[in-house]
Amino acid sequence: NAGVTQTPKFQVLKTGQSMTLQCAQDMNHNSMYWYRQDPGMGLRLIYYSASEGTTDKGEVPNGYNVSRLNKREFSLRLESAAPSQTSVYFCASSEKGYYGYTFGSGTRLTVV
Amino acid sequence: QKEVEQDPGPLSVPEGAIVSLNCTYSNSAFQYFMWYRQYSRKGPELLMYTYSSGNKEDGRFTAQVDKSSKYISLFIRDSQPSDSATYLCALGPAYKYIFGTGTRLKVLA
Repeated sequence: NAGVTQTPKFQVLKTGQSMTLQCAQDMNHNSMYWYRQDPGMGLRLIYYSASEGTTDKGEVPNGYNVSRLNKREFSLRLESAAPSQTSVYFCASSEKGYYGYTFGSGTRLTVV
Repeated sequence: QKEVEQDPGPLSVPEGAIVSLNCTYSNSAFQYFMWYRQYSRKGPELLMYTYSSGNKEDGRFTAQVDKSSKYISLFIRDSQPSDSATYLCALGPAYKYIFGTGTRLKVLA
C-alpha cells in the first residue's frame, strides 16, 4: 500500500506564482489534513477536512485554499506565493479525527 | 507561552540506554495524546496513541500521560542507533492536534 502520496516532492516558485499541492490516500480514511513544518515552529495545521465535502481552517490558513476532491484526494492551493510560504508541507489522513495520523513524505517548497 | 513545550535537544545516549522524552502542555482540554518519530527529510511516523492518563506499552516504547500535571512522556527501552531521529509529541482535541517542536535523539553505537 502506498499510504499517503504527495506530489510534487520539490518545487521552486517565484513570488506571485500559483501552484497546487496534491495529496491522495488509499486507506479509505475519512479525514485529511495539511500541515506546514518550519524550523523551530513545529508542525502547524493549515486546513483539514473532517469528511468528504467539508473543509475547515486550522491555525495558519491565510494565503491558502483547499479542495476535498473526493474521499481519496485533498489538494492545497497557493494563489499568490510569498517567501513566507517557503516550508515543508505535509499531508496526513486518519480514519477519525481523534485517531493517529498517517503522514505523506512531504513537499519542499521554496518561494524566491 | 506555547500550548505545548518540548525540549529540542539534541539528546545523546549510548546504545542500550533507556531514553525519556517529555512534553508539557497548558490546555487542560487536550484529550488525545500521540508520539511520532521523524527521520531526517521524511514524514512523521506514528509511534504511540493514547487518550487516558496512565501508561501504554508497545514493544520497547511506553507512553505515559499525567493529566493532573499536564505532562506526557515517551520511554524507549534498549535504545538502538536506528532510534536516532526527532520525536514529536502531539496533543489536542480531535482534528486539531498541536505538535511540539520535537526533540532530536542520537543513540551512539
